[in-house]
Amino acid sequence: AQSVTQLDSHVSVSEGTPVLLRCNYSSSYSPSLFWYVQHPNKGLQLLLKYTSAATLVKGINGFEAEFKKSETSFHLTKPSAHMSDAAEYFCVVLPEDTGRRALTFGSGTRLQVQP
Amino acid sequence: DGGITQSPKYLFRKEGQNVTLSCEQNLNHDAMYWYRQDPGQGLRLIYYSQIVNDFQKGDIAEGYSVSREKKESFPLTVTSAQKNPTAFYLCASSIGAGVGEKLYFGSGTQLSVL
Repeated sequence: AQSVTQLDSHVSVSEGTPVLLRCNYSSSYSPSLFWYVQHPNKGLQLLLKYTSAATLVKGINGFEAEFKKSETSFHLTKPSAHMSDAAEYFCVVLPEDTGRRALTFGSGTRLQVQP
Repeated sequence: DGGITQSPKYLFRKEGQNVTLSCEQNLNHDAMYWYRQDPGQGLRLIYYSQIVNDFQKGDIAEGYSVSREKKESFPLTVTSAQKNPTAFYLCASSIGAGVGEKLYFGSGTQLSVL
C-alpha cells in the first residue's frame, strides 16, 4: 500500500531563514504527490502538486518541492521563512496502482517561525 | 461564493447516541470525502464517494456511515459503534476522483463526547 512518512513532527526556524520539511513516500509506481497547508482555525489549502511532469514543482507563497524518485522523497522547501508560514503541513499521496481514488495524508509537520 | 459548508462547527455526543455531520458543496464536484483528524496523526480517510449513489470505505470506516443521495450533499453519521469519536472531522470535494485532483476542504466539525 502507498504511504507517506513525514520525518519531522515539528520544525522551528527563524524568520528569513530557509525552510525544509521532509517527506518520503512508498510506492511501486509513480504516484501523484501533494503538499497541503493548514493554518490555525482555517481550512486545508493546496500548496503544490506533482503529477509526473517537471520534477521541481513550484507552489504558492514561494514554496517548492522536488520529486526524487531515486530517494523516494518529495521535500518541501522555501528560501526564506515568513511569520505567516507558521502552520501545519501535510505531505499527501494519491496512489495510482490500486482501485482507491482518494488521497492518503502524512501525519503532518508543524512549522514554527521565530521572530 | 462557491465552497463547502460543514455544520455544525461544534457537536457533542452522548454515549449510545448517533450523530450526523452535514457537508454541502455548491462547486458541482462529483467526488466527496470525509476525513478524521486527530492530533499527531494527520488526516485519515473515513469514506469517499466518486459519484452520486455510490461510496467506498476508507481506512477507518468502522463505526461510521454515509449516504450520497444528492451530488451536493454527503452527510456522515457517527454511530454508537464508534467508541472513540472525539476528533476534528473534515469534509472535502474534488471535481473528479482522478489523478492530480485538487481537494477543496470545509472548515470542519469538532465532535466531542459528553
